[in-house]
Amino acid sequence: DGGITQSPKYLFRKEGQNVTLSCEQNLNHDAMYWYRQDPGQGLRLIYYSQIVNDFQKGDIAEGYSVSREKKESFPLTVTSAQKNPTAFYLCASTATGNGNQPQHFGDGTRLSIL
Amino acid sequence: GQQVMQIPQYQHVQEGEDFTTYCNSSTTLSNIQWYKQRPGGHPVFLIQLVKSGEVKKQKRLTFQFGEAKKNSSLHITATQTTDVGTYFCAGMDSSYKLIFGSGTRLLVRP
Repeated sequence: DGGITQSPKYLFRKEGQNVTLSCEQNLNHDAMYWYRQDPGQGLRLIYYSQIVNDFQKGDIAEGYSVSREKKESFPLTVTSAQKNPTAFYLCASTATGNGNQPQHFGDGTRLSIL
Repeated sequence: GQQVMQIPQYQHVQEGEDFTTYCNSSTTLSNIQWYKQRPGGHPVFLIQLVKSGEVKKQKRLTFQFGEAKKNSSLHITATQTTDVGTYFCAGMDSSYKLIFGSGTRLLVRP
C-alpha cells in the first residue's frame, strides 16, 4: 500500500531542544516537501527537494533544517532557533518536481512546546 | 512575493444550499490545484486546471479557471454534510512551487 508515512503523530519540544520529524514515502517520487500549517491558515512551504542530495529553502526556512540522503526519506529538524514551532507539520511528495502533479500528503505531525 | 488570496474565510450553510469559494492571484498562474482537508486530516488533491477559461466538473463540484489565469472558483451544488472541511486552492509559481491560499472552511448544518 503506497503512501507517505509521517512520525511521530504528536511531538513535544522543550525549550532549547532540537527535534526531528520523520517523513518516508514508498511512492518512488522524486520530489518531497515540508509545509507548516497554523490554525485556520493555509500551508506555508518550509523546504523542498526535487532530487536526492539536493534541497531548497521555501518561504519560511529559518529555524529549520532538512536532509535528503535517500529518495524515500526527507526528515525535518526543528531547531532551537525556531522560536514559535507550535504547528501542524505536513510532508508531501510529487512524482517529479515540475509542479504539474498532485501533491500526496502524509497524516502530519503536531508539534507543541512544553 | 506571489500571493494567492482566498475568500471567504468561513462559510456556514444549510444542507442543500450551494457553496462557492474564490481564489485570486497577484500574478498569472501556470496552473491551479484544489485540495480538501477534513477536520483533523491532511489535504487531499481534488483537481488541477491548466487552460485559460477551463471548467471541470466532479459530480456536484464545479471548478473554473479564469480567462486571465489569475483567478479560480470552486462551486458545490446542494451541499451535503460530507462536504464539511476546508478547501484550499494552490497556484504554481515560476519556480514550480505551489503557493497555497488560506483556505475556506465549510460548515454544513444538517
